[in-house]
Amino acid sequence: DTAVSQTPKYLVTQMGNDKSIKCEQNLGHDTMYWYKQDSKKFLKIMFSYNNKELIINETVPNRFSPKSPDKAHLNLHINSLELGDSAVYFCASSQQTSSGQFFGPGTRLTVL
Amino acid sequence: AQSVTQPDIHITVSEGASLELRCNYSYGATPYLFWYVQSPGQGLQLLLKYFSGDTLVQGIKGFEAEFKRSQSSFNLRKPSVHWSDAAEYFCAVPMNYGGSQGNLIFGKGTKLSVKP
Repeated sequence: DTAVSQTPKYLVTQMGNDKSIKCEQNLGHDTMYWYKQDSKKFLKIMFSYNNKELIINETVPNRFSPKSPDKAHLNLHINSLELGDSAVYFCASSQQTSSGQFFGPGTRLTVL
Repeated sequence: AQSVTQPDIHITVSEGASLELRCNYSYGATPYLFWYVQSPGQGLQLLLKYFSGDTLVQGIKGFEAEFKRSQSSFNLRKPSVHWSDAAEYFCAVPMNYGGSQGNLIFGKGTKLSVKP
């Protein structure tokens, strides 16, 4: 059984388009996250979402908007895609800080 | 501010040799510490974690790590490396100690290559 799943795995799109990435976890965790991994493999937190409380990383452009329909899902919507948005996006979940986070397989976004 | 430093960008070891990957952290209190592994084209997998107690922690795949408060280090070790261990390794600490949202700060990663 997949603990944290993301769809799609690959996403290729044109500049200016709007796209969404979906994430689901079946671990019963309360907190979910989105991370961005750039071409140099550097991982940076974008958002965390805990019990309807959204914590936004201030460096994330407002073109990025997370949406959580319920505790098991945290989707990422991106408006007006730019070349610099090309990266691998990882979803993760956790129950508490000490238990660590469980990551999805990633979505490789390529903006042409 | 919390930070994590992985001094080695790329390490190459021979199969069967021992391995040590370095991680140094800057944190206001005794931190939670994590090591993750990312195989090529894959997501991140939690190898091991430290949050209290015994400073030598055992993880999956034969890895262990030792927390040394005096050196602000949490180095990852393995006595005998296998070719399948070739991957990117990340050390991480939570952004907010004790907070419910444990956003992780990652080091820049160490790429491990294994020679036959």
